[in-house]
Amino acid sequence: GQNIDQPTEMTATEGAIVQINCTYQTSGFNGLFWYQQHAGEAPTFLSYNVLDGLEEKGRFSSFLSRSKGYSYLLLKELQMKDSASYLCAVRDRVNQAGTALIFGKGTTLSVSS
Amino acid sequence: DSGVTQTPKHLITATGQRVTLRCSPRSGDLSVYWYQQSLDQGLQFLIQYYNGEERAKGNILERFSAQQFPDLHSELNLSSLELGDSALYFCASSIRTGSNEKLFFGSGTQLSVL
Repeated sequence: GQNIDQPTEMTATEGAIVQINCTYQTSGFNGLFWYQQHAGEAPTFLSYNVLDGLEEKGRFSSFLSRSKGYSYLLLKELQMKDSASYLCAVRDRVNQAGTALIFGKGTTLSVSS
Repeated sequence: DSGVTQTPKHLITATGQRVTLRCSPRSGDLSVYWYQQSLDQGLQFLIQYYNGEERAKGNILERFSAQQFPDLHSELNLSSLELGDSALYFCASSIRTGSNEKLFFGSGTQLSVL
């Protein structure tokens, strides 16, 4: 089975830096993804890590440690529009033939001015 | 716009009824995934099809079934509906299946069972 944990809620102010942590336990690991989801909208892809280390993409960075089953998403220079739910997802085997993205419950980030 | 189209956007029905949700993947995408999202459970993986064949199965109830047609669109059928089936149902597509597969989500179908 799979278990993906991330904090339920976080708050931060405009211009600040926030780190959203994710820990996971899976039966097979084939990559870790972060998605952003604004209320009532579809999730959109942010980042992908399959090897240990940091992946940087503009204001967003994502880190992975496979040995620790740990990842974080780092958001810099926060803007009001970054208020959203951030979903950690692991690609894991779900049956003999297939894998799928298994999502955590998400972290709701509120950015205030 | 992700390029994935889901219809209808909203669906209101009664317990015991049957509904069909439709998904058209991005042009060229062979893989279609269905997810259910409720407030307390988050995004739950239901089922995946790849080029017309079932590839992966999650915690999908026996009352639920899906298929992918030759034109690659997919339908999710929900029967004997219960109040607890009320949720946002997302379809996602990708060009292939594999470790670095990035999913593109449709805007979802909000199902309300009364």
